[in-house]
Parts: sequence; structure tokens; C-alpha cells
Amino acid sequence: GDSVTQMEGPVTLSEEAFLTINCTYTATGYPSLFWYVQYPGEGLQLLLKATKADDKGSNKGFEATYRKETTSFHLEKGSVQVSDSAVYFCALSPRVGDSSYKLIFGSGTRLLVRP
Amino acid sequence: DAMVIQNPRYQVTQFGKPVTLSCSQTLNHNVMYWYQQKSSQAPKLLFHYYDKDFNNEADTPDNFQSRRPNTSFCFLDIRSPGLGDAAMYLCATSRDGGNQETQYFGPGTRLLVL
Repeated sequence: GDSVTQMEGPVTLSEEAFLTINCTYTATGYPSLFWYVQYPGEGLQLLLKATKADDKGSNKGFEATYRKETTSFHLEKGSVQVSDSAVYFCALSPRVGDSSYKLIFGSGTRLLVRP
Repeated sequence: DAMVIQNPRYQVTQFGKPVTLSCSQTLNHNVMYWYQQKSSQAPKLLFHYYDKDFNNEADTPDNFQSRRPNTSFCFLDIRSPGLGDAAMYLCATSRDGGNQETQYFGPGTRLLVL
């Protein structure tokens, strides 16, 4: 079945460091891909998304490119801030069949940014 | 502006005692979802409503039920909570459930079973 694999955390960085969180997926056809962020004590918020191959999603300095050839959707940010400390979830939504409504999440990657 | 509201934020119940969690939305979305998120794990879809049509995931235990009396409200009922049901329960909405749509999440209700 469809699945998402994320790098395990926690990822600990100093402020202004470069961030990469790896995400790869397995899916039939061409799913939509998402990054959601969960700040402490809060629900999930959409960070960015891409709905077809080679699309780049971007928001708040974060970027991710839909790579069909490597089935990847890695999250990057050039300079992290303390306020970016959160748990980041990669997710896909299948495009085919009866499951096109659902989000399938990776296990999440906790990011801790130190001043 | 609160868009997806969950009450309560924390719920403590006793083993086997029925409990209801509530969710409301101000987005007027057609689809409402319930996810279960256990500690340090990914959220897992339990079921969803498209308008009044209920859709259960194949592996959702019978112990979990849901009601959607109107567009704005959706309830999660756990008939006989076990210790393994302790988790964060997340409500989400989307406009029409298409695979390109954003799902909007509430803050979650953390359930503790004693």
C-alpha cells in the first residue's frame, strides 16, 4: 500500500543553519504531496504542498520539490529560526481509487533549533 | 479566527466508561475527518464524513463511532475506552475531499484513560 518514510529525529540545529528533512514515498500513480507542521500543543498546519511532478511548494522560507524520479519530497530551509522548532510531517494523498480523500502521514521529524 | 474547534482539549476517562469528543468548524466544509495520533506516531485516519455520508476505515475498531448532526459539528464516540485508546484525537476538515485539497486541523483532544 501507499506509504511515506521520513528521516528519524530529533534534528537539532543552531539558529541560521541549513535544514533538510528527507521524505520519500511509495504510491500508485501520482499522489499529491504535503508537508504539515505541528507546534507544541497545537494541531497540524499545512506548511506547503505540491500536486504534480516537478512542482515546488514554498512557504515561510521552506521549500520542497516533487521529484517523481526519486519519489521524494525533501523539505529545506536556508536559515532556521528558534521559532521553527516543531514536528514536521510529510504526507501524501493518493490520486487513484477510493482513497483519494485521505492523507497518509510519515512518522514525523522533530526539529529543535537552539539560539 | 478559530476555524476548527475541538473540545475539550484534555479529557480524562475511566477504563470502559463511554466518552464523547466534539469538533466544530466555521469553514462550511463538506468533509470532516477524525484521526488518532498516538505518542510519537503519525496521525491515522479513523473515518470521515462527506456531508452526511459516513466512511469508516477498514481497520478502525468497532469501539469507535461518529455522528455528524449538521455541517458544523462532528462527534467521536468511544463506547468502551481501553488503555490502548489513550491518544491525541485530531479533527480535520476539507472542502470536498479531493486529493489536492488542504485539510484544516483542529488543536486536538488529548485523551487519557485511567
